[in-house]
Amino acid sequence: KAGVTQTPRYLIKTRGQQVTLSCSPISGHRSVSWYQQTPGQGLQFLFEYFSETQRNKGNFPGRFSGRQFSNSRSEMNVSTLELGDSALYLCASSLERGSGNTIYFGEGSWLTVV
Amino acid sequence: QQQVKQSPQSLIVQKGGISIINCAYENTAFDYFPWYQQFPGKGPALLIAIRPDVSEKKEGRFTISFNKSAKQFSLHIMDSQPGDSATYFCAASKGTSNTGKLIFGQGTTLQVKP
Repeated sequence: KAGVTQTPRYLIKTRGQQVTLSCSPISGHRSVSWYQQTPGQGLQFLFEYFSETQRNKGNFPGRFSGRQFSNSRSEMNVSTLELGDSALYLCASSLERGSGNTIYFGEGSWLTVV
Repeated sequence: QQQVKQSPQSLIVQKGGISIINCAYENTAFDYFPWYQQFPGKGPALLIAIRPDVSEKKEGRFTISFNKSAKQFSLHIMDSQPGDSATYFCAASKGTSNTGKLIFGQGTTLQVKP
């Protein structure tokens, strides 16, 4: 069974641009969440989607957005990129919602903003 | 506000020794406490998890000890091996409405010397 797949793995963007990251969850998984990982702030929750609806949102500005499609695949978008957005963006999926459902992470998309 | 505090930040252990990582949480509504292991260039992978109605859970060389009254939990790695060298994160989540929202500790970088 394939794991959580994220594309692209690495990308470099210029300040002010926007970026879209893609995530394919494990087959059958309906919940998808996104995290930002930086050396200074660690792993921070961005948002969670289930059945194409955003269920939870972390403390990030509105420049960060996401969506989920009917096949559970998800995308996140960051507009007007800032240098501080440079990070590893991790997508995670779980079978269902509910505390205790194992959350599986992808290998992440490394974003560098210059 | 950091809701899960993890210590130590880094840890060096000799092969065969015991590695101990501690976490403390603030929110008594948390009901799921997983530990994740992350190797460089990879996403976090679930190691072991515990619920607050259990004081200890063991899986192979990995044991979680949980102290509900103290709001603390810890990971013990017995017979530590060089292959265990990685970054470890504790996390917590609460309730069915927050499945994908894991609150992570800041991480502990473990180095096991041969």
